[in-house]
Amino acid sequence: KAGVTQTPRYLIKTRGQQVTLSCSPISGHRSVSWYQQTPGQGLQFLFEYFSETQRNKGNFPGRFSGRQFSNSRSEMNVSTLELGDSALYLCASSLPGHSSTDTQYFGPGTRLTVL
Amino acid sequence: KNEVEQSPQNLTAQEGEFITINCSYSVGISALHWLQQHPGGGIVSLFMLSSGKKKHGRLIATINIQEKHSSLHITASHPRDSAVYICAVASGSRLTFGEGTQLTVNP
Repeated sequence: KAGVTQTPRYLIKTRGQQVTLSCSPISGHRSVSWYQQTPGQGLQFLFEYFSETQRNKGNFPGRFSGRQFSNSRSEMNVSTLELGDSALYLCASSLPGHSSTDTQYFGPGTRLTVL
Repeated sequence: KNEVEQSPQNLTAQEGEFITINCSYSVGISALHWLQQHPGGGIVSLFMLSSGKKKHGRLIATINIQEKHSSLHITASHPRDSAVYICAVASGSRLTFGEGTQLTVNP
């Protein structure tokens, strides 16, 4: 089985722009979670999607949004980018059930740099 | 105080040594995860446990729910074990992460 894929792997944007990141889960996995990793804050939970519905959301501003498609692929969008949004964005997929109590399979991440 | 505390933050060992990384948490949890992150960012899930002990190869994870504490042990450490090890607790339906332990194993 192919692993979790994320595109693009690297991205450079300027302040004020918006960005869309994509995540394709392992075939058969219906839960997709997104995380942000920065040197200062470590790993933080952004949101979780299951069957095209956001099931849980972390403490991030409304500029961060996401969605999931019927084939379980997920996208996250960040609008009005700020310098502090520079981070590694990771997605993880898991089988049905809550991602917090299922083994999660992580993608390689998208490294976003905001200039 | 963070909900999840790991110790030590940094650990340097010689090849072959027995290694222990600790994780303490302050909230009620439904599960605890140990993750490994190599340079470049890739994260691998090592264990998910809600009680007792799990073993996979040279890795052993234990959890004491009453004491709100978990340990990750590496026996016969090897330079390829060098990575950041991250503890994450599942509370409700979200994960909260520790800051990670940077492990370096020298040959």
